Amino acid sequence: QVQLQESGPGLVKPSETLSLTCTVFGGSISTNYWNWIRQPPGKGLEWIGYISYSGSTNYNPSLKSRVTISVETSTNQFSLKLSSVTAADTAVYYCARDYCTSSRCYDYFDYWGQGTLVTVSS
Amino acid sequence: EIVLTQSPATLSLSPGDRATLSCRASQSVSSYLGWYQHKPGQAPRLLIYDASNRATGIPARFSGSGSGTDFTLTISSLEPEDFALYYCQQRYNWPGTFGQGTKVEIK
Repeated sequence: QVQLQESGPGLVKPSETLSLTCTVFGGSISTNYWNWIRQPPGKGLEWIGYISYSGSTNYNPSLKSRVTISVETSTNQFSLKLSSVTAADTAVYYCARDYCTSSRCYDYFDYWGQGTLVTVSS
Repeated sequence: EIVLTQSPATLSLSPGDRATLSCRASQSVSSYLGWYQHKPGQAPRLLIYDASNRATGIPARFSGSGSGTDFTLTISSLEPEDFALYYCQQRYNWPGTFGQGTKVEIK
């Protein structure tokens, strides 16, 4: 059974860089696509971006200038960096895996982490 | 950006009832719409992909229908474990977007 677990600081100061790591258990990160999604308090889910097993990335245009997603296959982890954060970046951050059948992958998410709350405050 | 509007915001039903949840897109998303179940403190669970396909391991009481701008998730007979929050998500264009959710609560 695949499991994903987010880790990282729960509090980040304004203007600093938010850094989170997602560890994949029970499966290889060297296949599939790996995503970051967030949910600000009282608001809807927002797709931040994804990285493929080969390292190609795609970012939400609304965040593109501040986002970097990277993958480390040796540790079965992928990471999110969001720079120049403000209070608007306060959210629960989820990592998630693309849903794949035997024939193809889809831009839906079948395995998610539990989510980690990151608060931006001085 | 495609906006997904879910209705109703809250659905109050009893176990055994039929639940019908709606998701309307601000423009056509063809059949590229999925549904998730989310319980507090748990990871979201993919139920339906591409409008009408059940994801791996999802019980047959969950079904999806629709195309274009109007979609429906139906739970044919609610089990106690089905009371949760439900989201729709489109993958028609990048970035995929989510609806605000429908809460299915016990009446």
